[in-house]
Amino acid sequence: KAGVTQTPRYLIKTRGQQVTLSCSPISGHRSVSWYQQTPGQGLQFLFEYFSETQRNKGNFPGRFSGRQFSNSRSEMNVSTLELGDSALYLCASSLEREGETQYFGPGTRLLVL
Amino acid sequence: TQLLEQSPQFLSIQEGENLTVYCNSSSVFSSLQWYRQEPGEGPVLLVTVVTGGEVKKLKRLTFQFGDARKDSSLHITAAQPGDTGLYLCAGWDTDKLIFGTGTRLQVFP
Repeated sequence: KAGVTQTPRYLIKTRGQQVTLSCSPISGHRSVSWYQQTPGQGLQFLFEYFSETQRNKGNFPGRFSGRQFSNSRSEMNVSTLELGDSALYLCASSLEREGETQYFGPGTRLLVL
Repeated sequence: TQLLEQSPQFLSIQEGENLTVYCNSSSVFSSLQWYRQEPGEGPVLLVTVVTGGEVKKLKRLTFQFGDARKDSSLHITAAQPGDTGLYLCAGWDTDKLIFGTGTRLQVFP
């Protein structure tokens, strides 16, 4: 079974731009979660999608948004980029419920200049 | 919000040495997980400990869950360069998986 894939792997943007990251979960997995990882704040939960609906949300501003498609693929969008948004964005998938094992993708490294 | 503090933050040792990483919280967790993350990759689940006092072994790695389910430890025996990476503990805070502050381990040959 193929693992979680994320595209692109690397991205450079400038302040004020917006960016869209993509995540394809493991086949059969219906829950997709997004995390931001930075040296200063560590790994922080952004949001989780299940059956095309946002089920849970972390403490991030509204500039961070996401969506999930009927095939469980997910995208996250960051608008009006700030320097502090530079981070590794990780996507993880699981079968259905909270508490199940999450499988992480390799991440998208975003650099905001 | 529950917090997970890990210590030490950094660890640099020679091959063959033993080490212990700690994960502490003031809150009770129903279970705790340990992940390892290598450069350029996402975290990979090593183990989940569920019962207070539980000890799990994975080859040279020994994981323990505190009796009060507020802390956990990871002990590596005879570390090898392949053990190099970022070790993260994590626990479920209601419906969100929260991660510890991380321990970066470097094992030199």
